[in-house]
Amino acid sequence: AQSVSQHNHHVILSEAASLELGCNYSYGGTVNLFWYVQYPGQHLQLLLKYFSGDPLVKGIKGFEAEFIKSKFSFNLRKPSVQWSDTAEYFCAVYSNSGYALNFGKGTSLLVTP
Amino acid sequence: DTAVSQTPKYLVTQMGNDKSIKCEQNLGHDTMYWYKQDSKKFLKIMFSYNNKELIINETVPNRFSPKSPDKAHLNLHINSLELGDSAVYFCASSQDRGQGRSEAFFGQGTRLTVV
Repeated sequence: AQSVSQHNHHVILSEAASLELGCNYSYGGTVNLFWYVQYPGQHLQLLLKYFSGDPLVKGIKGFEAEFIKSKFSFNLRKPSVQWSDTAEYFCAVYSNSGYALNFGKGTSLLVTP
Repeated sequence: DTAVSQTPKYLVTQMGNDKSIKCEQNLGHDTMYWYKQDSKKFLKIMFSYNNKELIINETVPNRFSPKSPDKAHLNLHINSLELGDSAVYFCASSQDRGQGRSEAFFGQGTRLTVV
């Protein structure tokens, strides 16, 4: 079954530092991959998605992710984080049936001024 | 215009009570979901409905009963509430793209507290 694992559970960065959050997916054929963000007390919002094509995907708020098939990875990056990026970040992949979006355990990011 | 809306946003109730959470999507999507987010922020799928038909029921106690009167609505009824049911419940929807599913759109969440 398609699943994802996120390596970093808690990350603390200073403003302007670069960010990379790891996400690995289990092999299961074609994958559609997503990164979601959840700001404190809010619902999940889509940051970016990969369906096919260019493996470097650009999302909102300056985030990007690179799909590396050989490494089964879809890491999230941002060159310079801001205090407002403090949030929970989730990587997700659809199950083989396509009817369940499976989430990683999330990474809590704290950006300090 | 909110794409996926769920009510109520907060629900505080006593153990043993029965409660319902309602969800509606105006995106024309064919699939709706209920997720439970625990205190550690872990998101676990509970149910998935496609065109009003139950597709996924992820080992959820049968005290939880989803109902989908039409494609745009998916409600969740919970009987005999227990302390362990305290969590945030999210409704979501997505659409078949023909080559896999679209991203899922999430509601604002319902924070359920059982006392």
